[in-house]
Amino acid sequence: GAGVSQSPSNKVTEKGKDVELRCDPISGHTALYWYRQSLGQGLEFLIYFQGNSAPDKSGLPSDRFSAERTGGSVSTLTIQRTQQEDSAVYLCASSSPGGGPPDTQYFGPGTRLTVL
Amino acid sequence: GDSVTQMEGPVTLSEEAFLTINCTYTATGYPSLFWYVQYPGEGLQLLLKATKADDKGSNKGFEATYRKETTSFHLEKGSVQVSDSAVYFCALRGGYQKVTFGIGTKLQVIP
Repeated sequence: GAGVSQSPSNKVTEKGKDVELRCDPISGHTALYWYRQSLGQGLEFLIYFQGNSAPDKSGLPSDRFSAERTGGSVSTLTIQRTQQEDSAVYLCASSSPGGGPPDTQYFGPGTRLTVL
Repeated sequence: GDSVTQMEGPVTLSEEAFLTINCTYTATGYPSLFWYVQYPGEGLQLLLKATKADDKGSNKGFEATYRKETTSFHLEKGSVQVSDSAVYFCALRGGYQKVTFGIGTKLQVIP
């Protein structure tokens, strides 16, 4: 079946602009994660959605970052007033405790954000 | 909170050499442990996992054993190939499915 998809694949923006990144998880997956992968920094957890529970926002680096998940499916990560240090690859992953190997996360291809 | 520490790379090996990438963790309770791999130009994918102490995960010739006494999950392969060149991430899943990743170790295998 279809995997996790993300759009756009690449985004170039000017400093100070707002951007929205989209993630379509695997159908039926209840958990959705956002990560940031910066050059030489590894994978940084941003936010986690699980079903109808309140999201775990503990990884969001500042109040310029926010995310929502509508209808328990598609998620949008919004970065307001972008800064050059926001440049990174933003990865989305989904998983489901009820399907496939337990605990496995399935990753999307990522959105490469460049802030000029 | 939960944390994962893995050796920094890059690791450069000749083909057919033995590989070890160290990973240790800090977590409460009994986390599940994972190795993910990211091949050049591709997305992250699960390589192997272990869900309880003394479990051994294995895939594509790679192995890792969940050692609770040393809080470790070292990745090993007996004979690496050029096609194994990638970035390897150790990760753990604690409560509520939140997953914590290490910084990643870049492996380069030369012919």
